[in-house]
Amino acid sequence: GENVEQHPSTLSVQEGDSAVIKCTYSDSASNYFPWYKQELGKRPQLIIDIRSNVGEKKDQRIAVTLNKTAKHFSLHITETQPEDSAVYFCAADSNYQLIWGAGTKLIIKP
Amino acid sequence: KAGVTQTPRYLIKTRGQQVTLSCSPISGHRSVSWYQQTPGQGLQFLFEYFSETQRNKGNFPGRFSGRQFSNSRSEMNVSTLELGDSALYLCASSTTGLSYEQYFGPGTRLTVT
Repeated sequence: GENVEQHPSTLSVQEGDSAVIKCTYSDSASNYFPWYKQELGKRPQLIIDIRSNVGEKKDQRIAVTLNKTAKHFSLHITETQPEDSAVYFCAADSNYQLIWGAGTKLIIKP
Repeated sequence: KAGVTQTPRYLIKTRGQQVTLSCSPISGHRSVSWYQQTPGQGLQFLFEYFSETQRNKGNFPGRFSGRQFSNSRSEMNVSTLELGDSALYLCASSTTGLSYEQYFGPGTRLTVT
């Protein structure tokens, strides 16, 4: 079946530095790529998404880039803050379902 | 607008029992998806309903079933519970489907003893 690989599983960065999380997907027909943030004990929340007709999308300190040829997309967080600490999930649509990455635990060190 | 709600929030059941979980989507949303979340396993897709029809199903045994009502509310049922079914069950609603913004409910924490 189709799958989405997400790396790294844990990422520790100094407050104020940038963080990058990468995902690779297998279904070449995938067109929708959302990123979700899940804080401890809370529900996942959509933070940004991108469609295949766009190469990059930004929202303040968050950006997502997509390379359809290589079938990978990345989440970039600049000027990280303590409230960015959470688990981040990527996903790709495939055959009327979302295939999820395993998640990245982002730790912001003070 | 009220968000996605799920009931109950916590549930403790014994092996072999069955359980029914409920999800009320955001008003106007017709798509409801269900996920199982366990530590280290991420989010596993169970099924998706749209206008009372199951459009897709994940790789779970037949003990997991669901339905959607005409008001878009959805239920999922797990029969003959096993210890491995202990998890957080999340539902998410969307206007038309999985390729659009999904809004998650708070989840139901199921513990099977």
